[in-house]
Amino acid sequence: DSGVTQTPKHLITATGQRVTLRCSPRSGDLSVYWYQQSLDQGLQFLIQYYNGEERAKGNILERFSAQQFPDLHSELNLSSLELGDSALYFCASSVGGLAKNIQYFGAGTRLSVL
Amino acid sequence: AQKITQTQPGMFVQEKEAVTLDCTYDTSDPSYGLFWYKQPSSGEMIFLIYQGSYDQQNATEGRYSLNFQKARKSANLVISASQLGDSAMYFCAMREPTLTGNQFYFGTGTSLTVIP
Repeated sequence: DSGVTQTPKHLITATGQRVTLRCSPRSGDLSVYWYQQSLDQGLQFLIQYYNGEERAKGNILERFSAQQFPDLHSELNLSSLELGDSALYFCASSVGGLAKNIQYFGAGTRLSVL
Repeated sequence: AQKITQTQPGMFVQEKEAVTLDCTYDTSDPSYGLFWYKQPSSGEMIFLIYQGSYDQQNATEGRYSLNFQKARKSANLVISASQLGDSAMYFCAMREPTLTGNQFYFGTGTSLTVIP
């Protein structure tokens, strides 16, 4: 168990809908990262937050947004969902502020858009 | 250009033998980090080993070691004494600093099968 909690484990929804994925980082970790893993795109970095502030952006679509709350949990919001958004979404956390920045991953949320 | 390249889509190894999984990377930043993760069929991503760009010695963690050749920009993972439980996807990743945070890049992975 990595200590990173993601909910829900599975999500099934329809095209055009909006969903929210939740992540609780490991105790003491200030940084949260979101990733999308799909068969055709592999593992893609989406966005990083550190202590509530956005710090780095990767290949995140404009339909997607994220935030990190004062208690350090994070949410990834996906809107106007398309079939191609079906993927495994990972959250990872790290202590942050250090060069090493080892990320520990949650179990992921599997999103199916029908 | 790809930031992380893993050229072996699939590898087979006999139980108890050693295996090397290849990874090359591309960066012009002098400060970067290299990681290997294991993803079993259950789906979770498990951290295995880390190598910093300024680290003089190759990283080791139990049966895992990282063969870091900076001039060649390679960071191969060596698994010694393979076990059946090592069968999984293995991903090489790189951290590059940005002005305010870090960008992470993952390779396409290598599927390792350990044969009894």
